[in-house]
Amino acid sequence: QQQVKQSPQSLIVQKGGISIINCAYENTAFDYFPWYQQFPGKGPALLIAIRPDVSEKKEGRFTISFNKSAKQFSLHIMDSQPGDSATYFCAASMGDSSYKLIFGSGTRLLVRP
Amino acid sequence: DTGVSQDPRHKITKRGQNVTFRCDPISEHNRLYWYRQTLGQGPEFLTYFQNEAQLEKSRLLSDRFSAERPKGSFSTLEIQRTEQGDSAMYLCASSPLQSNGYTFGSGTRLTVV
Repeated sequence: QQQVKQSPQSLIVQKGGISIINCAYENTAFDYFPWYQQFPGKGPALLIAIRPDVSEKKEGRFTISFNKSAKQFSLHIMDSQPGDSATYFCAASMGDSSYKLIFGSGTRLLVRP
Repeated sequence: DTGVSQDPRHKITKRGQNVTFRCDPISEHNRLYWYRQTLGQGPEFLTYFQNEAQLEKSRLLSDRFSAERPKGSFSTLEIQRTEQGDSAMYLCASSPLQSNGYTFGSGTRLTVV
């Protein structure tokens, strides 16, 4: 129940294309769903986040779509650029006072020029 | 630099030796988290502090691991009698109180040979 399952494991997209990464969760106590971007040798950096009372959130080229009934959420990267090549992690946090995060296993994105 | 700093960036140690890592959080952040990330996986929660108090420890944190945040500022993570299975990236993050907004450091990569 604590897991967050992420797919695909890796993704190759042409420059200008749309990258889509999916995550699924079981625990309905989760109330915060962030996406992190990680470059080699760096720590994860918060990209965008959503709460379950909203079905979609957009920030620039990045959009989270959230389906509460299906317990799924996804990251869409529009107009993908080579600089977006990185590993992306979805995560979830329960509505308790710890704010600790449960991470997915990651998706390695490669955007070809 | 106002980010989260971790030292050292890399550590190679022989099995059985003790190692200590340091994390300097963003100065105004009350919360400090330690995560462990193995190759190809998402970060896993280890422990967190609110000011100087250690409020939660994961079952991943065996008796060989100890973390401190003596004055509510920097934190140390010590691993005693290292094992090859301890090889991983150890990530520190900080956040304001009652916030999901983590800032991660670049991590300490530990290799146990």
